[in-house]
Amino acid sequence: NAGVMQNPRHLVRRRGQEARLRCSPMKGHSHVYWYRQLPEEGLKFMVYLQKENIIDESGMPKERFSAEFPKEGPSILRIQQVVRGDSAAYFCASSPVLIGILSGANVLTFGAGSRLTVL
Amino acid sequence: AQTVTQSQPEMSVQEAETVTLSCTYDTSESDYYLFWYKQPPSRQMILVIRQEAYKQQNATENRFSVNFQKAAKSFSLKISDSQLGDAAMYFCAYRSARSKETSGSRLTFGEGTQLTVNP
Repeated sequence: NAGVMQNPRHLVRRRGQEARLRCSPMKGHSHVYWYRQLPEEGLKFMVYLQKENIIDESGMPKERFSAEFPKEGPSILRIQQVVRGDSAAYFCASSPVLIGILSGANVLTFGAGSRLTVL
Repeated sequence: AQTVTQSQPEMSVQEAETVTLSCTYDTSESDYYLFWYKQPPSRQMILVIRQEAYKQQNATENRFSVNFQKAAKSFSLKISDSQLGDAAMYFCAYRSARSKETSGSRLTFGEGTQLTVNP
C-alpha cells in the first residue's frame, strides 16, 4: 500500500513557465483533493475531483490553474505562466467512497506534497 | 462558510510534560467532523485524531486526547507525556457531514500551531 504519491517533490520554474504536479491516489481511492500551503500558512482547499469529473473547484484561481483526474493515470494540477506568488507547497489527498453510515470514515490521506519555487 | 481558528501560532513544552493546543470553529451546522493533523518538518500531513460531532465522548488516541465542547465550538488537543518526536506544526480541521456530493470529504484548516518540545 504505497499511500498517496506525489511528484515531483520539488519543482523550480521561471516566471512564465508551466508547472505540472502529479498525484496518484491510494489504491481503492477514487476521490482526489488538491490543497495549497503558502509559507507560514495553513492548507487552503483548491479543487475536488472524481475520475473524469471536477466536483468542486471553488478554491481554484480562475485563471492559469487547471486540474484533471483522467480515467487512467494520475491527477494533474497544472499552473500556466507561473508567477512568484505561486511558490508554495501543493498537497494532494485522496479518500475512498464510503456512503451512508460509513461515510464518517472517509478520512483524507495526504501525500508528501510538491514544493514549487518560482524564480 | 465554516472557519477554523487556532489562536496560538507557537507553543512549547518540556519533554514528558503535557500541553494543550486550542482550536475554535464557526459553523451553523449540527453534524460535522473535527480533526487534528500533524505536519513534521518532512511536511507529510499525518492524522492525529478525529471527533464526530454527534458523539459526546471525547476521542482519545494513546497520548493524544481532545476536549470537544460543542456549544462553545471548541476543540482542543491535549498531548500528554510529550516526546521530542511530537515537535511539529499542528492543524485543526473541520469537515461538514452534509453535501457529500459536492464537497466530499473536503477539509477546512486552521492556520496551525508550531509546537516545540524542549529536552
